[in-house]
Amino acid sequence: EPEVTQTPSHQVTQMGQEVILRCVPISNHLYFYWYRQILGQKVEFLVSFYNNEISEKSEIFDDQFSVERPDGSNFTLKIRSTKLEDSAMYFCASSEARGGLQETQYFGPGTRLLVL
Amino acid sequence: AQTVTQSQPEMSVQEAETVTLSCTYDTSENNYYLFWYKQPPSRQMILVIRQEAYKQQNATENRFSVNFQKAAKSFSLKISDSQLGDTAMYFCAFMKHLGNQFYFGTGTSLTVIP
Repeated sequence: EPEVTQTPSHQVTQMGQEVILRCVPISNHLYFYWYRQILGQKVEFLVSFYNNEISEKSEIFDDQFSVERPDGSNFTLKIRSTKLEDSAMYFCASSEARGGLQETQYFGPGTRLLVL
Repeated sequence: AQTVTQSQPEMSVQEAETVTLSCTYDTSENNYYLFWYKQPPSRQMILVIRQEAYKQQNATENRFSVNFQKAAKSFSLKISDSQLGDTAMYFCAFMKHLGNQFYFGTGTSLTVIP
């Protein structure tokens, strides 16, 4: 069964450093998302992406964040200058289309980011 | 704005018994979808079950079923014949039709006791 994959599974970085989190969505999916979950808290939406542009972003997704689909398979989240409060689990998700249950989002296993 | 509320932070159930997790939501939308996701200790988010708001019939997936009450804006999850592998955090989620994002509840931590 096709699934969303994410790399790395864990990332430790120093405050102020740039990190890139990578995701490979399900191959026939067209909509891509990033969420984050700070330890002990609920999952929060960051951004959605379709047709090579951001379709919606939350207040969390400030200028330090960017997303990109550099090729036909990868979808990346870049944090330009990490802060301590960026420590969280980051989930990538993808969905097939709009309308009906094709809008269901399938999540990757997550990348656990720790900023020291 | 959409909100999702899970009022039970923690629950436990004996193996083979039945447990119901509650979820309520608030929205002015008429067409939307509701989901339950399971997050085991590995922290991966796994889809358990989903429901389209326009369908009156409650969704079922093997041992998992929902009680969807649209007027009351309630979407509870029933797990029958609970198994040790059901131990996880369970998140209720809402998405409006043609929406871009899920709105998650705060989760219910379920422990299945052998």
